[in-house]
Amino acid sequence: NAGVTQTPKFQVLKTGQSMTLQCAQDMNHNSMYWYRQDPGMGLRLIYYSASEGTTDKGEVPNGYNVSRLNKREFSLRLESAAPSQTSVYFCASSDSSQGARTAFFGQGTRLTVV
Amino acid sequence: SQQGEEDPQALSIQEGENATMNCSYKTSINNLQWYRQNSGRGLVHLILIRSNEREKHSGRLRVTLDTSKKSSSLLITASRAADTASYFCAIGGFKTIFGAGTRLFVKA
Repeated sequence: NAGVTQTPKFQVLKTGQSMTLQCAQDMNHNSMYWYRQDPGMGLRLIYYSASEGTTDKGEVPNGYNVSRLNKREFSLRLESAAPSQTSVYFCASSDSSQGARTAFFGQGTRLTVV
Repeated sequence: SQQGEEDPQALSIQEGENATMNCSYKTSINNLQWYRQNSGRGLVHLILIRSNEREKHSGRLRVTLDTSKKSSSLLITASRAADTASYFCAIGGFKTIFGAGTRLFVKA
């Protein structure tokens, strides 16, 4: 019962470097999400994918790109990392049940940009 | 913004006491959810309450929803040290918005 799996768990980048955060879910959910969480704050939505083949911007999409590779996988790419992108990144997936979307979260990726 | 706002920001209680945290929001909703986050971990869904429901129970959790006041409360009864976590309300559909959370500390 893996649920939502994120890799890597920790990463340190230099300013300007690029990297891709990987996320995979095994619950056959249609929708997937990327959030960031800064210290003492709630989660802010970066991008989401309502279903395979679609992606949409959330609250804070600048500096990020996403790819919904297939139904299971949803990756987040930082093309040119900046210190302001230091954060904990969470991937989540959900499916609708009578219109409600209960999200299941991964364990997070702690990213530090120096 | 549909963002939910939790109150208080932090709460410290003794084991065995009840903990109440509140969530206020600004727009009409179809449902509202509560999540828990243990330190450094992902969020875990606790309970969902629909707009046509006024109260819902799950174990030691009781959630109320007052759509006229645009507010919800989460009550944890007989709290335990293991309940120490941050609690978030969440509203919205695909663009689910989370509040900043209430940090609960339960002292043994």
